Amino acid sequence: NAGVTQTPKFRVLKTGQSMTLLCAQDMNHEYMYWYRQDPGMGLRLIHYSVGEGTTAKGEVPDGYNVSRLKKQNFLLGLESAAPSQTSVYFCASTLAGGPYNEQFFGPGTRLTVL
Amino acid sequence: AQRVTQPEKLLSVFKGAPVELKCNYSYSGSPELFWYVQYSRQRLQLLLRHISRESIKGFTADLNKGETSFHLKKPFAQEEDSAMYYCALSGPVTGGGNKLTFGTGTQLKVEL
Repeated sequence: NAGVTQTPKFRVLKTGQSMTLLCAQDMNHEYMYWYRQDPGMGLRLIHYSVGEGTTAKGEVPDGYNVSRLKKQNFLLGLESAAPSQTSVYFCASTLAGGPYNEQFFGPGTRLTVL
Repeated sequence: AQRVTQPEKLLSVFKGAPVELKCNYSYSGSPELFWYVQYSRQRLQLLLRHISRESIKGFTADLNKGETSFHLKKPFAQEEDSAMYYCALSGPVTGGGNKLTFGTGTQLKVEL
């Protein structure tokens, strides 16, 4: 099993450009999450999904959109990138939504917006 | 609202010394807490969870509801413990399920 994978690993964008980050998991997990990691701020939840076809906003959703058309994939889109979106993005998944369940993380995508 | 506070950005200890990484939380319900670790150039992974009451790699964490703390401890630090440690609190989200609220992390550096 590959676990949680993320594409791409690195990306540099210019302000105003758009891009999509792909997260894939092969563990048949129901729940998927997108976080951003910034120095001194820990990980903050952007959007999440409790199942195929559903998405919801997290703590910092502005400037991002997501889609979960297939259970194994969770896409994060930036329609018009801004320098404030320079960050490391992590995807995570978990089997079910119980409070005790471990979240499995991807390796991260380092995004720089110039 | 739920919140997790890790007051130390960096903790530097010598090999063989005791380690304590502090974590305090704010939550109105019954807390479920975790410690995640990120080793250099590796992905974030679960170290231990409160519900399991386990010791992983010599680390333990005790939930103190009176002090709203979940400090991570190890009696003798090893070089391989150097990593970023995140405390996380599980809480419900709209639509069912749970989310994790992370602290800002503590970088542990074990010196020889």
